[in-house]
Amino acid sequence: GAGVSQSPSNKVTEKGKDVELRCDPISGHTALYWYRQSLGQGLEFLIYFQGNSAPDKSGLPSDRFSAERTGGSVSTLTIQRTQQEDSAVYLCASSLLHRTEWRFQETQYFGPGTRLLVL
Amino acid sequence: GESVGLHLPTLSVQEGDNSIINCAYSNSASDYFIWYKQESGKGPQFIIDIRSNMDKRQGQRVTVLLNKTVKHLSLQIAATQPGDSAVYFCAEQTGYSTLTFGKGTMLLVSP
Repeated sequence: GAGVSQSPSNKVTEKGKDVELRCDPISGHTALYWYRQSLGQGLEFLIYFQGNSAPDKSGLPSDRFSAERTGGSVSTLTIQRTQQEDSAVYLCASSLLHRTEWRFQETQYFGPGTRLLVL
Repeated sequence: GESVGLHLPTLSVQEGDNSIINCAYSNSASDYFIWYKQESGKGPQFIIDIRSNMDKRQGQRVTVLLNKTVKHLSLQIAATQPGDSAVYFCAEQTGYSTLTFGKGTMLLVSP
């Protein structure tokens, strides 16, 4: 089936504007993650959804960042009053936390990312 | 190998050489590990995984080695090709937790 998709692929905005990024996970995947990746850096965890609830919001860098997930599927990440330091690639991943014969195991599958540039 | 800091560690190899990318993971209780490959402009892609009850697992041209004693994970790529040029991330999982990603290593393959 289709992989994780994200839109828009690129977004240029002016400082102070709000932006909304969208993620369509793999159908049936219950877990959804948002990460931020600055140029040449690793993955910075932002938020994790299990179904529609977000048990872990610990990575959101400020109250300008929020995310929601509806119907256990599509998620949107909203950044209000964008700042230049918000410029980065925002990656979404989904996974199916499944039970193997000995433990829970997950493999996260990533979308292509949204490249955000705040001028 | 992995490091904290502003710049990714880089491994430069010649086409046809074997590459070894290292990762020092943080939690001795971690029991599942994954290597991801991220090409320029794309999201990370799953390469290979290994459980903590294994020391070695082989895929196509890739081998992952796990040394739990020193909390070390490595990815070996045989006969490295220019298409292998990418950033490689290790990730660890502990129990029912979510994945924790390492900082990444950039692999540059020269023709």
